[in-house]
Order: sequence, then C-alpha cells, then structure tokens
Amino acid sequence: DVQLVQYGGGLVQPGGSLRLSCVASGFTFNTYWMTWVRQAPGKGLEWVANINQNGSKKSYVDSVKGRFTVSRDSAKTSIYLQMDSLRAEDTAVYYCARGDRVANYWGQGTLVTVSS
Amino acid sequence: DIVMTQSPDSLAVSLGERATITCKSSQSVLYRSNNNNYLAWYQQKPGQPPKLLIYRASTRESGVPDRFSGSGSGTDFTLTISSLQAEDVAVYYCQQYYSTPAWTFGQGTKVEIK
Repeated sequence: DVQLVQYGGGLVQPGGSLRLSCVASGFTFNTYWMTWVRQAPGKGLEWVANINQNGSKKSYVDSVKGRFTVSRDSAKTSIYLQMDSLRAEDTAVYYCARGDRVANYWGQGTLVTVSS
Repeated sequence: DIVMTQSPDSLAVSLGERATITCKSSQSVLYRSNNNNYLAWYQQKPGQPPKLLIYRASTRESGVPDRFSGSGSGTDFTLTISSLQAEDVAVYYCQQYYSTPAWTFGQGTKVEIK
C-alpha cells in the first residue's frame, strides 16, 4: 500500500527554522513528482512547493520563495521541506502529497506553529 | 495566477437529496492539445488530509462512489453528489492544475446535513 508518513513540525519562534520530512513507501518513489500543501487553521488549502522525480526542478508559491527549500533523497525515499525565516502566517498543517497535477495520496499532516 | 472561486461557501442538504457545488476559474483550464480540463475535486473531513474524488473535471478516482460526479469545461465546473449520505459531510475543494507545477485551490465548500 502507498504510504506517506510525515515527521517534524512543532512550535518555533518567528524568524526560526524547521525541517519537515515525508517518508514514502509502497510505490516507485523515483517516478513521481512530490508536493507540499499547507492549510492554515480553519482555512483552505494552499499549494506550497513541489519537486520533480530527480530533484532537478523545484517550484514554490511566491510567499515562500527564498525562505523554503524542497528536496528529496531517493535512497531514503523521502522528501523534505526546509523552512527558514518563519513568519506567523506560515502557521499551518503541512501535508506532503504524491503527484504534480493531482494528489491521490497524502501524508497525515504535521502542524507548524510560528509564535513567540 | 489562476483564481478559483467556489459557490456556495456552505450548503445544507437533506439525506438522499442532491448537492451541487460550482467552481469557476479566472481563465480556461482546458488544455486544447488533448481536450482535457485540468480540474480536480477533493473531499476533506475534519482532522484528515484531502481525498481525491475527481480529476480531468469528470473522471472519478478509483474507489469513489458513483454518486459523485463532475462536469463542466473551460472555466465553469460542477461537483454533484446525487444522493447525499451522512458520510459525505465534509469540505469540498476544486483545484486547477493547468498551471502545473503551480496549483491553486478554491476556497472550499462546506456540506452539511439539513
């Protein structure tokens, strides 16, 4: 079965950093784009970033460009979201998902709270 | 950026009745080279990640009950639940992937039981 299991998240002060992880299993990892989507408390879904199969192409929503970095490790079948210079408005549940057009598998989500 | 606008923001429907949600995109998401509309629908229940229901505007994801159907083309789309069940209470989102790798979602429509 396809599984995406997320790690990381938590409380961080404004200006701080955090790294999210997403471990994939049950499918051929190297053949799929992977995506990060977030959801602020009580709000809708927002696409954050994605990365192609070999990590050579990355895209970001404008609000995180220059602050967030998506990466992947094929040996660990994992993707990562390095979040720097965090702001209060980055507070959200972050989901990893499989796919670059539609996401048919999602991680369980992890809460990131940016607050002093 | 392509802006997705859903209506209504919420609706209450009696069990067994039809629920209809509309989604409008600020520009066409019809990819003319293959005549596919790059529009998907997701269902999200409280505390859970979204679940893909429909892609290419009208193709049901495997395992999705046939009471869920999608229609539309270009800029105007509809998700219909033909006979609302209790387990369908959720928030529904449309998503365009015409501008992939960048996606945009509608603001969501909350479906409740009347």
